[in-house]
Amino acid sequence: DTAVSQTPKYLVTQMGNDKSIKCEQNLGHDTMYWYKQDSKKFLKIMFSYNNKELIINETVPNRFSPKSPDKAHLNLHINSLELGDSAVYFCASSPRSGIVGNTIYFGEGSWLTVV
Amino acid sequence: SQKIEQNSEALNIQEGKTATLTCNYTNYSPAYLQWYRQDPGRGPVFLLLIRENEKEKRKERLKVTFDTTLKQSLFHITASQPADSATYLCALDGNSGGYQKVTFGTGTKLQVIP
Repeated sequence: DTAVSQTPKYLVTQMGNDKSIKCEQNLGHDTMYWYKQDSKKFLKIMFSYNNKELIINETVPNRFSPKSPDKAHLNLHINSLELGDSAVYFCASSPRSGIVGNTIYFGEGSWLTVV
Repeated sequence: SQKIEQNSEALNIQEGKTATLTCNYTNYSPAYLQWYRQDPGRGPVFLLLIRENEKEKRKERLKVTFDTTLKQSLFHITASQPADSATYLCALDGNSGGYQKVTFGTGTKLQVIP
């Protein structure tokens, strides 16, 4: 069974469109994340949710709106897509956010290409 | 702001040798430092973590050191194998407003040559 699964794996879309990426974890973790990895392979945190509540928002443009319907799901909706949004988006989870030293479990990534 | 630097160039090493990867950081005092492996087209996978009060941690052929004075971690793979070829990411793990925040470096690409 896949621990952290995200869909779609590949997404090609035109500038200005709105798209969503879905993520689910079956590990029973309290915390979920969205990370963005750009063409230079820099993996940067975007958002972190703990039990459906937003706890970290790394000054991401408000065109990006995460939504967590329950602690097992964290979706990412992107409005008015721009060329610079092209990247790999990784969903991840970890057991408990209040304690450091937790391992981060990553999904396989969603490759977004904006043309 | 915190900065994490890893060898920006790819590291090529002969099979059987020890690979040593460097992670330097500034403007931060992490409680832990974590290392991950990332294969092409895949998500990062956790390998090891080391606490700020630990000097060294081992797991099979892997060894991590953590020098909080130098603000540096070294990641060693002994008896390297072609299957060890991947990108290795270090990550600073600390508390941000009462919650864990893990910040990644840019990674070092390791190529083990048979």
